[in-house]
Amino acid sequence: EPEVTQTPSHQVTQMGQEVILRCVPISNHLYFYWYRQILGQKVEFLVSFYNNEISEKSEIFDDQFSVERPDGSNFTLKIRSTKLEDSAMYFCASTQRLSTDTQYFGPGTRLTVL
Amino acid sequence: AQSVTQLGSHVSVSEGALVLLRCNYSSSVPPYLFWYVQYPNQGLQLLLKYTTGATLVKGINGFEAEFKKSETSFHLTKPSAHMSDAAEYFCAVSDRGNQGGKLIFGQGTELSVKP
Repeated sequence: EPEVTQTPSHQVTQMGQEVILRCVPISNHLYFYWYRQILGQKVEFLVSFYNNEISEKSEIFDDQFSVERPDGSNFTLKIRSTKLEDSAMYFCASTQRLSTDTQYFGPGTRLTVL
Repeated sequence: AQSVTQLGSHVSVSEGALVLLRCNYSSSVPPYLFWYVQYPNQGLQLLLKYTTGATLVKGINGFEAEFKKSETSFHLTKPSAHMSDAAEYFCAVSDRGNQGGKLIFGQGTELSVKP
């Protein structure tokens, strides 16, 4: 069964450093998402992406964040200058269609900012 | 704005007992509703979803949920708990008018199953 994959599974970085989290969505999916889950808290929407542009972003997704689909398979989340509060599990998701269709989630990348 | 409230951050049941996980939502338009399960160190897996039609929705692993518009609820049930059901369960809502399709999650309920 097709699945969403994410790399790395765990990323440790120093405050102020740039990180890139990578995702490979399911191949025939058109809509892509990033969510995050701070330890002990709910899963929060960050950004949705369709047709090579951002469809919607949350208040969390400020200028320090960016997303890109550099080729036909990868979908990346970049944090330019990490803060301690960026420590969280980051989930990528994809879906073929909107709203009624299931969003398939990757296993997540645990980001630890020291 | 949409929101989801899950009553009870931890629920503990005995093996074979009824599982009931509560979810209430707030939405200005009829929503799409989802239950996801998260096993340790894994991503979120869809259990079931309600979009239109029959209000009682059946999902994987014997779970079902009923959409009750008058109560703005979408509670998850399973008649008989199994040890393998121990996990974190998330209720989520999507605004059918939202072209971005984002999911708004509740805070999650951790289900423990005692032998």
